[in-house]
Amino acid sequence: GAGVSQSPSNKVTEKGKDVELRCDPISGHTALYWYRQSLGQGLEFLIYFQGNSAPDKSGLPSDRFSAERTGGSVSTLTIQRTQQEDSAVYLCASSPREGVTIYFGEGSWLTVV
Amino acid sequence: GQQLNQSPQSMFIQEGEDVSMNCTSSSIFNTWLWYKQDPGEGPVLLIALYKAGELTSNGRLTAQFGITRKDSFLNISASIPSDVGIYFCAGQTIGANNLFFGTGTRLTVIP
Repeated sequence: GAGVSQSPSNKVTEKGKDVELRCDPISGHTALYWYRQSLGQGLEFLIYFQGNSAPDKSGLPSDRFSAERTGGSVSTLTIQRTQQEDSAVYLCASSPREGVTIYFGEGSWLTVV
Repeated sequence: GQQLNQSPQSMFIQEGEDVSMNCTSSSIFNTWLWYKQDPGEGPVLLIALYKAGELTSNGRLTAQFGITRKDSFLNISASIPSDVGIYFCAGQTIGANNLFFGTGTRLTVIP
């Protein structure tokens, strides 16, 4: 596609439920990133993929968070047993390769009630 | 991880005024980027800097990569109402895959 596409754009879920957030990167981009942005805050790095592998998972805040990428394209970020503090915008970004400019999607707004 | 200090946190300016914001790091970066985020949108790249001392312009925007490689600034000249938004600096270290972001500068332009 022309840009990074994320879905759902908005998600309201009950505490304790699992959620899946999807990212479709720019076609041909091998690097994919997930960031989290809490209200009024900067961007917090979560995980990075090069192809299907995730060489850097250092930002995942707990073992309730996981991500996978298949076919070197679409990625899914899964949050299990959601908590209210998980409420945030989850931003996906992609770049043609490591070390070059990354481009963001519009984000998935998650609200845990 | 690296600490990026961005200032000011917020600015209220009159339309037509110039704006300056900056970012400092505790570590050396080999790339500095400036993004703008509008409400409900993802960050959009404004300017990318790849070389210490580099000064780059994009329309009314000018950004510089500090000589020490630990800082960068962004200037906006003759501000207009559509400049409103949150501006983020981001830096990348040599050999790293991740971008580290500043906490943002929230700009309000008063017509």
